[in-house]
Amino acid sequence: DGGITQSPKYLFRKEGQNVTLSCEQNLNHDAMYWYRQDPGQGLRLIYYSQIVNDFQKGDIAEGYSVSREKKESFPLTVTSAQKNPTAFYLCASSLTGGSNTEAFFGQGTRLTVV
Amino acid sequence: GENVEQHPSTLSVQEGDSAVIKCTYSDSASNYFPWYKQELGKRPQLIIDIRSNVGEKKDQRIAVTLNKTAKHFSLHITETQPEDSAVYFCAASKGNNRLAFGKGNQVVVIP
Repeated sequence: DGGITQSPKYLFRKEGQNVTLSCEQNLNHDAMYWYRQDPGQGLRLIYYSQIVNDFQKGDIAEGYSVSREKKESFPLTVTSAQKNPTAFYLCASSLTGGSNTEAFFGQGTRLTVV
Repeated sequence: GENVEQHPSTLSVQEGDSAVIKCTYSDSASNYFPWYKQELGKRPQLIIDIRSNVGEKKDQRIAVTLNKTAKHFSLHITETQPEDSAVYFCAASKGNNRLAFGKGNQVVVIP
């Protein structure tokens, strides 16, 4: 379904714990992204990666970390340093090569801190 | 960085009428402007996009217009139907695939 899969769909975390959100794509896309969606805030970029073993901070990277060891995978870790982690997280991927192309989104992970 | 703003935040239209959503952007170097539709509980999906070398693009009932001088672009939906009810996001980028999204518009089509 869409070639990009996020898991789990719902995630609960205790305060002070790190948690990792999974994102896998089989579209052979070079670029991958993590967005955070809050009501009335739109989609805000956390981190993005244009190629394996390389990634850049987005607009709200504080309290998050990523890795890009494989082309297909771009996991996001929400650390205890993130002050307000409860949100809906969307992963996306796209072709790259300097030309803008469509971004395909996963179905999202809803993270709740309890 | 690029700043994208959308207006209005909520739009209610009678079924069959037209809906128009306007976005403004700040970076004159931006050259790609997609529109995404997000239905309740679902992922955002691209519905139409436009590049800076084109002023208008149509796809059935939807169209997008771009005014580079004024740095704004608009989504037009004609003959609205209940299934058009969703949140619509505009975005802009400048060749680096890093999309800057607006905050979204809630469109409600009243049967």
